[in-house]
Amino acid sequence: QLQLQESGPGLVKPSETLSLTCTVSGGSISSSSYYWDWIRQPPGEGLEWIGSKFYSGSTYYNPSLKSRVTMSVDTSKNQFSLKLSSVTAADTAVYYCVSRRRTNFDYWGQGSLVTVSS
Amino acid sequence: QSALTQPASVSGSPGQSITLSCTGTSSDVGGYNYVSWYQQHPGKAPKLMIYDVSNRPSGVSNRFSGSKSGNTASLTISGLQAEDEADYYCSSYTGSSTYVFGTGTKVTVL
Repeated sequence: QLQLQESGPGLVKPSETLSLTCTVSGGSISSSSYYWDWIRQPPGEGLEWIGSKFYSGSTYYNPSLKSRVTMSVDTSKNQFSLKLSSVTAADTAVYYCVSRRRTNFDYWGQGSLVTVSS
Repeated sequence: QSALTQPASVSGSPGQSITLSCTGTSSDVGGYNYVSWYQQHPGKAPKLMIYDVSNRPSGVSNRFSGSKSGNTASLTISGLQAEDEADYYCSSYTGSSTYVFGTGTKVTVL
């Protein structure tokens, strides 16, 4: 069973870049069975899909965030990462790293609260 | 890519059945049989409850069932239990390898 764990700063200043890393255990990030996704949830609000990364390169982003998002995979560390640039208070959220098998988000990290504030 | 529409809240008494709706368009819910449902308890990560409209992952109670008609998907919880009190989100594939979630429904067990 996969386990995912987010890590990164809990506080980011406006206009700066948010960076998070997800460490995968219990399986290989190079598995052809999974995509690696990021999903966020502003406090008290609903879920928003950010994007998806396959280990060999394919990347897909939410059109509303595409201009600011970069996702990458480090197979040597079994990790994948999210960068979101030019953040504002609207980007304050719990960020989840998630494994996706076909169209289903099946394993989730515990979530990492990132607050955008000066 | 607009969020799918879900009722803000649904309630029921223990033992009853309730149905949650998830309305989209022909570009998402109506266009693909790739609707999934997630249960989220306060302070916890969401949990996959239904995938591909009506399939249950291993370990999920058979009290949970899913269906779809046109642009609206539904999640039915039968034999409502106190532990079912949570937020529920639907999700749909929208084409071009992108996804959208619903606005979420808070289920209250009276």
